[in-house]
Parts: sequence; C-alpha cells; structure tokens
Amino acid sequence: KNEVEQSPQNLTAQEGEFITINCSYSVGISALHWLQQHPGGGIVSLFMLSSGKKKHGRLIATINIQEKHSSLHITASHPRDSAVYICAVKWKEYGNKLVFGAGTILRVKS
Amino acid sequence: DSGVTQTPKHLITATGQRVTLRCSPRSGDLSVYWYQQSLDQGLQFLIQYYNGEERAKGNILERFSAQQFPDLHSELNLSSLELGDSALYFCASSHGLEYNEQFFGPGTRLTVL
Repeated sequence: KNEVEQSPQNLTAQEGEFITINCSYSVGISALHWLQQHPGGGIVSLFMLSSGKKKHGRLIATINIQEKHSSLHITASHPRDSAVYICAVKWKEYGNKLVFGAGTILRVKS
Repeated sequence: DSGVTQTPKHLITATGQRVTLRCSPRSGDLSVYWYQQSLDQGLQFLIQYYNGEERAKGNILERFSAQQFPDLHSELNLSSLELGDSALYFCASSHGLEYNEQFFGPGTRLTVL
C-alpha cells in the first residue's frame, strides 16, 4: 500500500465546474504539499499546509490532520487548469523526505 | 519562473555512460533537493543538501551521487547509466533547513539509449 493515495486518478470536468481532488496518507506528517504539473513537465508549488485551510485565487486546500486527509478544490474551473495535481507529504519519521502521491490527471473541457 | 535553473534541459546518452546534471537554487535558498520522475515510479525524492552538507537521503542509487558547492549550486552525477534511469530529474530549492515551500526547476529530461 502506498503511503499517499490520491483520488480520483483521472478527472474530466466541464468549464465552470467545482472540482475536488483528494489525498489520504497513512504516516505521521509535518506538512503536506499540493503541486501542479503542466503537460510540458514543469512543476509549480500550489500550497504547503500543516493545518486548516489555505486559499489562493480559485484554489482552496484543506487538511485534517486527525483524519489524515487533504483536499484540493478548484472553483469555476477553466481549461487552463488542465494539469496533473500531485499531493506530497513530509514524512515526520524520515526527516525531510517527501513522499508523493501518483497524481490526479485533470482535464477541463470548454 | 521559479528562479531555480537546471541544465541541460535535455540529455541523450548511452548505457554505461556518466552524466552530470546541474542546478542553481533561487537566490538566498540554502536547501537543494533532487527528485526523479519516471513513468513507472512517479516522483521520488533522491537527496537533499543544505548549505553544502547532505541532510536527507531518499531512494538514491549507489551509482548516483550529488554535491552542493560553496556557491550553493548543486550537481547530480549519474554513472553506469541503465535504460531504467531514463526520467525527468527535478531540482527544487527552499530557504531553510526545515521544510519550507519548495520551488522547482524546469527539470532535465534524461534519455538513456
């Protein structure tokens, strides 16, 4: 079993829809990271969370440490949001080691 | 633009060869991280350096080594290359030793033929 599980693996949405991507983890963590990877390959850090909720533009990330779960929400989705979204956790027991989920492939159709 | 630079962008080489990937962190960042992204394994953490010293090690093969120089740039050396080493190699940097937000470079795409 992977330490970090993401769902769904693939997601297709219509422009304007509200999107949720989930991340569950099985280890003690000190922080969780949401990353965005565009088709060209570049990776952008969206959020780093250790508790609560963060918002940046149309993106919202939440984390529930007790339930070992985080969600990334995209409001009013747009085709330019099409990318792979990756959840990564800082595994507390292993210092600074980041463990990555497999990613969610999002396609937003116009 | 994250401020992290990586060279080269693409590298094609043959099995058994040795290559060096280079990373320059954002100005002021002391930590450098190396990651490998392959089709079958996804993203994996390889190694972290902080201010010239190795601080954390992940799934890095013995054929691979890295270092961080006094000017804080870092190099990842891959030797005795195998077909399975073909992947995207990312470098990221952050300011501190403890986990801060990481900024990723554009990656180096290595193809081993």
